[in-house]
Amino acid sequence: NAGVMQNPRHLVRRRGQEARLRCSPMKGHSHVYWYRQLPEEGLKFMVYLQKENIIDESGMPKERFSAEFPKEGPSILRIQQVVRGDSAAYFCASSPELAGSSYNEQFFGPGTRLTVL
Amino acid sequence: TQLLEQSPQFLSIQEGENLTVYCNSSSVFSSLQWYRQEPGEGPVLLVTVVTGGEVKKLKRLTFQFGDARKDSSLHITAAQPGDTGLYLCAGLSGGSNYKLTFGKGTLLTVNP
Repeated sequence: NAGVMQNPRHLVRRRGQEARLRCSPMKGHSHVYWYRQLPEEGLKFMVYLQKENIIDESGMPKERFSAEFPKEGPSILRIQQVVRGDSAAYFCASSPELAGSSYNEQFFGPGTRLTVL
Repeated sequence: TQLLEQSPQFLSIQEGENLTVYCNSSSVFSSLQWYRQEPGEGPVLLVTVVTGGEVKKLKRLTFQFGDARKDSSLHITAAQPGDTGLYLCAGLSGGSNYKLTFGKGTLLTVNP
């Protein structure tokens, strides 16, 4: 009964390098969400994806950040040319088909802690 | 921007005590979820409340959604050290059924 899986759990990058964060949703889940948790801040929505489609990327910085959820394989959050301010915990969540318009239960992975030196 | 304010920010109590933590907003939420997060881990979903005035119980935890769907509370009876963690509330609003807005959480420590 595997839950949402994320790897790596910890990632250290130097300024200017690229960071790739991976997320495998729960079995049977086709919706993936990425959130960022900055120190002393709550989790903030970044992007919502379905297989091969970006549904809503309104929470994603316009530059250097991109996300994909290919037909095969995990969802990837990619940060190019990282800066110190990108240091944070990045969480992926997944859900099954959305249950109408009232609510949507999202199940979170353990997160990737990104440290930019 | 919808904001969820959680209080208190920190709470340290002795084993066996009761406690209540709050989640408040000036906005109406179509649903509200409570999560518990432990250090180095992701949030774990505890409950979802949908209807104004709804009360849900999960063993020693009681969750209530305000009548106006703007606030919620979590009451823990006879707290145990295993209840220690960061309690987060998160809501759906503004016609979105997927974009969760999170509070900053209440960090609960239950001392043996």
